Amino acid sequence: GEDVEQSLFLSVREGDSSVINCTYTDSSSTYLYWYKQEPGAGLQLLTYIFSNMDMKQDQRLTVLLNKKDKHLSLRIADTQTGDSAIYFCAVVPGSQGNLIFGKGTKLSVKP
Amino acid sequence: DVKVTQSSRYLVKRTGEKVFLECVQDMDHENMFWYRQDPGLGLRLIYFSYDVKMKEKGDIPEGYSVSREKKERFSLILESASTNQTSMYLCASSSNRVVNTEAFFGQGTRLTVV
Repeated sequence: GEDVEQSLFLSVREGDSSVINCTYTDSSSTYLYWYKQEPGAGLQLLTYIFSNMDMKQDQRLTVLLNKKDKHLSLRIADTQTGDSAIYFCAVVPGSQGNLIFGKGTKLSVKP
Repeated sequence: DVKVTQSSRYLVKRTGEKVFLECVQDMDHENMFWYRQDPGLGLRLIYFSYDVKMKEKGDIPEGYSVSREKKERFSLILESASTNQTSMYLCASSSNRVVNTEAFFGQGTRLTVV
């Protein structure tokens, strides 16, 4: 089945850029998502990218997709303390309709 | 504002009790999901449903069952709660009618089994 991998922790200083990486195994994945989970809350969709795109930019967020390497990244520019959260990469495998999540990357932003 | 509502934020139950976790969505979504979230393990799919009275096992269905009698409601049942079912439980829903299957999540239920 589909496997989605991400590193568990990332620590950055306020004002720096954060880059969270994700790899997946199913090359037929159509939509790829980034979700954010703040402490004590459920998951909220941050952004998504369709598999025929290489890049998507939305204000401080940039998503890069390398289909050849099956690598997805989320870049947060000018990271703020309010960006501290767990970020989940998720994909919809070609053969299924349900989301497969990575384990989540905990982003800590230091003042 | 779209909404997925889980009936409880926090629950404490005793070992062996039958536990019901309720989830309701107001978006007329066909798909509903139950995940559990544990530190270092991310989200693991327990059960999902693509339609009323329909259910499919996810990755970790053992010890759980589900019920979907109405489109808007998806219940997770712990037949006999055990301490290893202490976890955060997240419900989600999504639509079959759009290509982009964005999932909307509830706030989660933190269940402690003592």
